[in-house]
This record gives sequence, structure tokens and C-alpha cells, in this order.
Amino acid sequence: NAGVTQTPKFQVLKTGQSMTLQCAQDMNHEYMSWYRQDPGMGLRLIHYSVGAGITDQGEVPNGYNVSRSTTEDFPLRLLSAAPSQTSVYFCASSYRAEGNTIYFGEGSWLTVV
Amino acid sequence: GDSVTQMEGPVTLSEEAFLTINCTYTATGYPSLFWYVQYPGEGLQLLLKATKADDKGSNKGFEATYRKETTSFHLEKGSVQVSDSAVYFCALRDDSWGKLQFGAGTQVVVTP
Repeated sequence: NAGVTQTPKFQVLKTGQSMTLQCAQDMNHEYMSWYRQDPGMGLRLIHYSVGAGITDQGEVPNGYNVSRSTTEDFPLRLLSAAPSQTSVYFCASSYRAEGNTIYFGEGSWLTVV
Repeated sequence: GDSVTQMEGPVTLSEEAFLTINCTYTATGYPSLFWYVQYPGEGLQLLLKATKADDKGSNKGFEATYRKETTSFHLEKGSVQVSDSAVYFCALRDDSWGKLQFGAGTQVVVTP
């Protein structure tokens, strides 16, 4: 039972480089999302998806793109990395109905130098 | 908009002490409430949840009661262990689409 799987776990990027954080879930969840975690700020929503082909912006979407071509996968793309994007990124998924638990991946530690 | 406020840390306790982490929220609807825990170097794990007023969530000796009248969901544990050292996040889910609003997190340090 894999749950929510994120790769890579650690990554160092140079300013201006692009990269994709991968996220996959095997629970057939409709809802998937990406958060970033910064000290003293909790987790903030970047983008989310309520099903294949449907995505929307969260609280802090600038500098990030997402797509949802399948139910299982929800990659997060950094278009041109900036030091302000140094953070820990978490992918999450859940069933649609309110009250259902939201499950998180183990996190991806990203440093932009 | 929705928001969650939790007490600032770090909270430092001795083993077997009583732990309380305060959490209050504002929401337009009737949210579900969650406590997540993050151990050092790890991701977030669901600790407990409550989906309606007066519900009590419990797990691993931790408890929290959904108090609609005070818009609170305080986390408590009667006797903490060193292994409880972690960051604890209070969160709410106010819609069917699964978006979570998090508090800033409270670091708890338990010393032997």
C-alpha cells in the first residue's frame, strides 16, 4: 500500500533552472494538492486538482505549474527556480467528500542557490 | 476567509508532563478539524480528527474536542514521552474539495 509517493526527496537547483516534483497516489482519490512548508508559516496551498483534467490555484501559485492528466499523478513544475522557492513541498490526496482524511506524501526538500 | 491560530512554540516539557496546545479557528461554514504531527525529517501524519461539533478525536493518548461555541480544537495529552517531540499542526477543511487551512505549527520538545 504505497499511499502518496513523492520524488525526489532532496534536490538542489541553481537559480533559473526548471524541474518537476513528481507525485503519485494509488488510492483512486479525486482530490490532489501541493503545499509548501516554510518556517513559522505552516503549510500553504500552491495548486490543487479535483479530478483528471481539472486544476486550480491555491494561495501561493506564482512560479509553479501543474497538470492532472491521470487520476494517479499530479506533478508540480518549477518554471524558473528562485531562492524564494527554497522550501519543503508536500503532495496530498483525499476522497472528495468533506470530512475525509487528507493523506500526505513524505515531502520533497528543495534548495535553490 | 478561513484561518487557524495555534499557540506559538517551542513548548518544552519534561517527560510525563501534561501537554496542551491551543487551536482556534474562523470559518464561514461547519468545518472538519484535524491535528497533524510531523516528526523530525518526516512528512505529515494525521494524528486525530473531528468532523462535527462536540466530537472528540483521540489517538496515541492525544485528545481534542471540537468546540463550536468557542471555535476551538485544543490538543491535550496527559503524560508526554520523549517520542512525542515533534511539530503539531492544527488544520481545518471547510469544503468538499479537500483544501486544508493550516495553523503555523507548534514545536514540542520533551526532555527526559
